[in-house]
Amino acid sequence: GQSLEQPSEVTAVEGAIVQINCTYQTSGFYGLSWYQQHDGGAPTFLSYNGLDGLEETGRFSSFLSRSDSYGYLLLQELQMKDSASYFCAVRDRRADSWGKLQFGAGTQVVVTP
Amino acid sequence: EAGVAQSPRYKIIEKRQSVAFWCNPISGHATLYWYQQILGQGPKLLIQFQNNGVVDDSQLPKDRFSAERLKGVDSTLKIQPAKLEDSAVYLCASSLDIQVSTEAFFGQGTRLTVV
Repeated sequence: GQSLEQPSEVTAVEGAIVQINCTYQTSGFYGLSWYQQHDGGAPTFLSYNGLDGLEETGRFSSFLSRSDSYGYLLLQELQMKDSASYFCAVRDRRADSWGKLQFGAGTQVVVTP
Repeated sequence: EAGVAQSPRYKIIEKRQSVAFWCNPISGHATLYWYQQILGQGPKLLIQFQNNGVVDDSQLPKDRFSAERLKGVDSTLKIQPAKLEDSAVYLCASSLDIQVSTEAFFGQGTRLTVV
């Protein structure tokens, strides 16, 4: 089966940098995604890593190390609107379940003034 | 471009009653997912379709939950009979195609309360 581990909560002040780590276990790995979800809202896609390395999208960056089964999401220049839950999600690749998309439990990011 | 549409937005039922949720994915999206999200937890995949075929339903409680995607477009998820622990938000998502798309688009969800 699959399992994903990420911290339950992170608190930081406006303007700071936050790193959310995600470790995963899966029998077949295709890529790691990150989603943001505000209270009462739908998850929205932030980034995807299929290969090792860093992907940068504005204030958000995501990193993947396939050999370590590890990735992280980096939030820079934190703003109040970044207060939300952040989920890592693994897309697996196996003969019987190509592309199944499984989510972690989520990290609640609280941004304070 | 219209997003993923779900209905109803809210539903309150008594335990042992049945309920159905409807999802209309983004036009042209071959992959459709149903997730259950209990308050404070991550979305749990219930079933994943590719066109009108099931890719994975290993976490779907098949004694009470059923889902179908007729003609590879709209989908319905049914619970019969409902239990108190089924209280959750049911999210539908779609992707262009499993093999080429890395992004899933989510609907606003149906919040189910079982009393």
